[in-house]
Amino acid sequence: SQKIEQNSEALNIQEGKTDTLTCNYTNYSPAYLEWYRQDPGRGPVFLLLIRENEKEKRKERLKVTFDTTLKQSLFHITASQPADSATYLCALGRMDSSYKLIFGSGTRLLVRP
Amino acid sequence: SQTIHQWPATLVQPVGSPLSLECTVEGTSNPNLYWYRQAAGRGLQLLFYSVGIGQISSEVPQNLSASRPQDRQFILSSKKLLLSDSGFYLCAWSRERNYGYTFGSGTRLTVV
Repeated sequence: SQKIEQNSEALNIQEGKTDTLTCNYTNYSPAYLEWYRQDPGRGPVFLLLIRENEKEKRKERLKVTFDTTLKQSLFHITASQPADSATYLCALGRMDSSYKLIFGSGTRLLVRP
Repeated sequence: SQTIHQWPATLVQPVGSPLSLECTVEGTSNPNLYWYRQAAGRGLQLLFYSVGIGQISSEVPQNLSASRPQDRQFILSSKKLLLSDSGFYLCAWSRERNYGYTFGSGTRLTVV
């Protein structure tokens, strides 16, 4: 069955540092991959989408890579801030009209001031 | 601009009671609509999705059902709740692949 794995343990980093979150998947061939941010008790918020034919996508301090050979996406936050503290979810989608997404369980990031 | 409304925010219901959660979208037409459930510390599990009025696809066999009586209204229901139905229920909509999902604020359901 399809499986999406994200760092299960929380990541604790110092403000200003860069950190990398990992999303690995098996038994799936996504056409695109999305990253979301979720704060406690809130719904996820869309951050970035990257397609299977794209190696890298950037948005402000965020960078996402997508390696379909390794079946992996990396999510980088540069110059991290305490406000970046949240859970980050990756989600996979196929090229069909449903746009349905399969989500990972997320990685909690804590940025210390 | 598009907005999504989901209510209630929290709900405590006894086992065996019925459930109705409602989600409405404003500012767009013919959206794809989704119901997800999130257990504590877990990822989002897709329950139902709909690509049009009256069109419902179920992802996981369970005690729940969904309906889409109007273009921008999506309802999650149960006739008799189980303890295992407790969780954080999220409604979302999507129109085009480039823009991701827009989620509602969620409903925290506790079945006691």
